[in-house]
Amino acid sequence: DTGVSQDPRHKITKRGQNVTFRCDPISEHNRLYWYRQTLGQGPEFLTYFQNEAQLEKSRLLSDRFSAERPKGSFSTLEIQRTEQGDSAMYLCASSPRGLQSSPLHFGNGTRLTVT
Amino acid sequence: AQSVTQLDSQVPVFEEAPVELRCNYSSSVSVYLFWYVQYPNQGLQLLLKYLSGSTLVESINGFEAEFNKSQTSFHLRKPSVHISDTAEYFCAVSDNQAGTALIFGKGTTLSVSS
Repeated sequence: DTGVSQDPRHKITKRGQNVTFRCDPISEHNRLYWYRQTLGQGPEFLTYFQNEAQLEKSRLLSDRFSAERPKGSFSTLEIQRTEQGDSAMYLCASSPRGLQSSPLHFGNGTRLTVT
Repeated sequence: AQSVTQLDSQVPVFEEAPVELRCNYSSSVSVYLFWYVQYPNQGLQLLLKYLSGSTLVESINGFEAEFNKSQTSFHLRKPSVHISDTAEYFCAVSDNQAGTALIFGKGTTLSVSS
């Protein structure tokens, strides 16, 4: 168990650019979640995958955001035409089963700064 | 839809003092409740959870939380804190029918000093 890995740890980009983050969940965890956390706030749910299927998306996930998990293993989160309000910590979490039987394992996050 | 309110953003305490971190939730359905902890420079990790059964749940490092349905609360307590308990604590709720996304509170920063 090497834990949930997120890459990069930090990303600085100019407004209007596209960015992509990667999350490698714990091996054999079929559930993968993306959250966003801004300063002074708790993590906000963005989207959730079970295997390769994206089963739930938050209203927070505007059409500039897209997430994929093509083979049911790693996932990518892309933000197009970044805005300063997108600056946040983006967290990925995985679990082997539903919340009632297993906790979420969080990565250390990708910190995005949009200038 | 569920929501979580953590009433205190910061709680400073002295070592060996008792502490309570408050959490209230709202939901129209039955819920699962969780406390997650984030130590400095580390990722979030589960501290304890309430799913069903006994309303008092405990963690391995001396924290406990009690589910109170009538008051819609899930307060976290520890009778005697250590310097190493300094961290940010997040209360979270999930709809136990859908059981997918966790909804987090804004967090409480516990600062323990000697």
